[in-house]
Amino acid sequence: DQQVKQNSPSLSVQEGRISILNCDYTNSMFDYFLWYKKYPAEGPTFLISISSIKDKNEDGRFTVFLNKSAKHLSLHIVPSQPGDSAVYFCAASARGSGGSNYKLTFGKGTLLTVNP
Amino acid sequence: KAGVTQTPRYLIKTRGQQVTLSCSPISGHRSVSWYQQTPGQGLQFLFEYFSETQRNKGNFPGRFSGRQFSNSRSEMNVSTLELGDSALYLCASSYFPGGTDTQYFGPGTRLTVL
Repeated sequence: DQQVKQNSPSLSVQEGRISILNCDYTNSMFDYFLWYKKYPAEGPTFLISISSIKDKNEDGRFTVFLNKSAKHLSLHIVPSQPGDSAVYFCAASARGSGGSNYKLTFGKGTLLTVNP
Repeated sequence: KAGVTQTPRYLIKTRGQQVTLSCSPISGHRSVSWYQQTPGQGLQFLFEYFSETQRNKGNFPGRFSGRQFSNSRSEMNVSTLELGDSALYLCASSYFPGGTDTQYFGPGTRLTVL
């Protein structure tokens, strides 16, 4: 049972345009969401996070939007740069609970390619 | 501050052997989580240790085990290796247990089982 889904395996955009990466989740206990970026042969790098008490969090060119009713979050990158080309992972956890939810659950990732 | 370090970076083993991977967390971090990454499967949670205690475990067979030492360094062990164990093994550290705090990842150990 995949609780965090990234339905687009890949996305290609032009430099300077907006990149929108999407993520859906099924577990209503999730209340903390993160995005990680991963280059080949490196570990994932933390990008940005959002708590369920917010619907938007911004950090420079990166903005994460959370729609709790739809159980959907998205990462916007504006403007996109060739150096943003990487695999992006969405992750979620249930900080307010314990047991099996007390961990990060990752999606399978979306490969973003930003063309010059 | 130094990041998460993992050793070795690359390993080649044969079926039936066992392997031990090591992870040193960021200084001051007491939580270490381990993940397996295979093509098309994303990051699958193996287990998490906090203050030398296993707090959570993923859906992996008992061949996968781990431990954490008093200095927060962690090791994971895979016994009786199978071809399907070939993967990138990542560890991540955080101040608090993984689900409550941002995790910072090491570069991973690439394990190839022949």
